Amino acid sequence: EPEVTQTPSHQVTQMGQEVILRCVPISNHLYFYWYRQILGQKVEFLVSFYNNEISEKSEIFDDQFSVERPDGSNFTLKIRSTKLEDSAMYFCASRRTAGHSYNSPLHFGNGTRLTVT
Amino acid sequence: GQNIDQPTEMTATEGAIVQINCTYQTSGFNGLFWYQQHAGEAPTFLSYNVLDGLEEKGRFSSFLSRSKGYSYLLLKELQMKDSASYLCAVRDGDYKLSFGAGTTVTVRA
Repeated sequence: EPEVTQTPSHQVTQMGQEVILRCVPISNHLYFYWYRQILGQKVEFLVSFYNNEISEKSEIFDDQFSVERPDGSNFTLKIRSTKLEDSAMYFCASRRTAGHSYNSPLHFGNGTRLTVT
Repeated sequence: GQNIDQPTEMTATEGAIVQINCTYQTSGFNGLFWYQQHAGEAPTFLSYNVLDGLEEKGRFSSFLSRSKGYSYLLLKELQMKDSASYLCAVRDGDYKLSFGAGTTVTVRA
């Protein structure tokens, strides 16, 4: 079964550094997402991306965050200047259908654990 | 804002049935999803409801009442591997899910 793949599985960085988290969504999927989960807390929506532009973003997704689809397969999340509170598991997700097909579930990758020291 | 409530923890015996309730108050509603998440892993899709009623998928069933803002996930014939966190999520827009905090289910032998 096709999977969403994320790299790296674990990233350690110093506060103030830039990080790029990488994702390869399932190949025929059209909608892409980033979520994060701080340890012991709920999964939180960051941003959705469709047709090469951001569809929706949350309050968490401030100017320090950006997303890009640099080619036909990769989908990246960049954090420009990391803070301690950015430490979390970051999940990439994708779903297939165009239009308003409601029963199209999100498929999540295994996540990148980001640790900011 | 979004308010999605589910119990924090539940414990049940192998072979038993457990029902996980979820209540929601969201700005929009385009369907409710249940996901399973094992510790340190990604959420995996279990079920979806957009109309009132019961959806059955093997040992797992999910129920929705839109008028009450209520759903439950029913896990039958519990197995040890069912020990995990179960996440209730509401699609409150075209593109995003809002998740509850999750219910940790512990299955005991």
